[in-house]
Amino acid sequence: GAGVSQTPSNKVTEKGKYVELRCDPISGHTALYWYRQSLGQGPEFLIYFQGTGAADDSGLPNDRFFAVRPEGSVSTLKIQRTERGDSAVYLCASSPGTGRRLNTEAFFGQGTRLTVV
Amino acid sequence: AQSVSQHNHHVILSEAASLELGCNYSYGGTVNLFWYVQYPGQHLQLLLKYFSGDPLVKGIKGFEAEFIKSKFSFNLRKPSVQWSDTAEYFCAVNRGRGSTLGRLYFGRGTQLTVWP
Repeated sequence: GAGVSQTPSNKVTEKGKYVELRCDPISGHTALYWYRQSLGQGPEFLIYFQGTGAADDSGLPNDRFFAVRPEGSVSTLKIQRTERGDSAVYLCASSPGTGRRLNTEAFFGQGTRLTVV
Repeated sequence: AQSVSQHNHHVILSEAASLELGCNYSYGGTVNLFWYVQYPGQHLQLLLKYFSGDPLVKGIKGFEAEFIKSKFSFNLRKPSVQWSDTAEYFCAVNRGRGSTLGRLYFGRGTQLTVWP
């Protein structure tokens, strides 16, 4: 499809388990973002990639969270030793721009709903 | 820390009523401003954006927003809402430069319900 694709759409995991969330951005978009949205809140920034490198990872809450984008397209958000507080919708977005208009056309995916039980 | 405030968490209107959703931000430097909309069951979509120039910005579906720098505000308006405008609306702010260039700061969102 033409949009940002996130898989799985839903993930239920047990506390302490490891999970991977995948994001397939729009083809050609150099910038990719991960956000987390808890119930009743707006999206909260986690990390953004420009190409293969993480340009800003200061939103990752702790070292259990890690993200990669090895070839500059698909990205994987990895969460180790999941906790119940990690339950949220994880959103991915991509955009084509660079410079001041970096977020001019940030296209969001449907998100992955993660539930830690 | 950067913060974005949306004053109303839930707004209920009848069709044809006028809409204004408030958004204030705390950052004082150069900012880029956005409104996103999330229709039921759908992903976030860009409604409109402001980078520079005319502070009155027109977006899709008849929405507009006005940037008032002195008030740190970027309120969303629509003169006559429709049932199909029922959705959640998010205000977002991005710094114009620096290490956080790629980061959007979102408000909590306002759920708009329009009764036919």
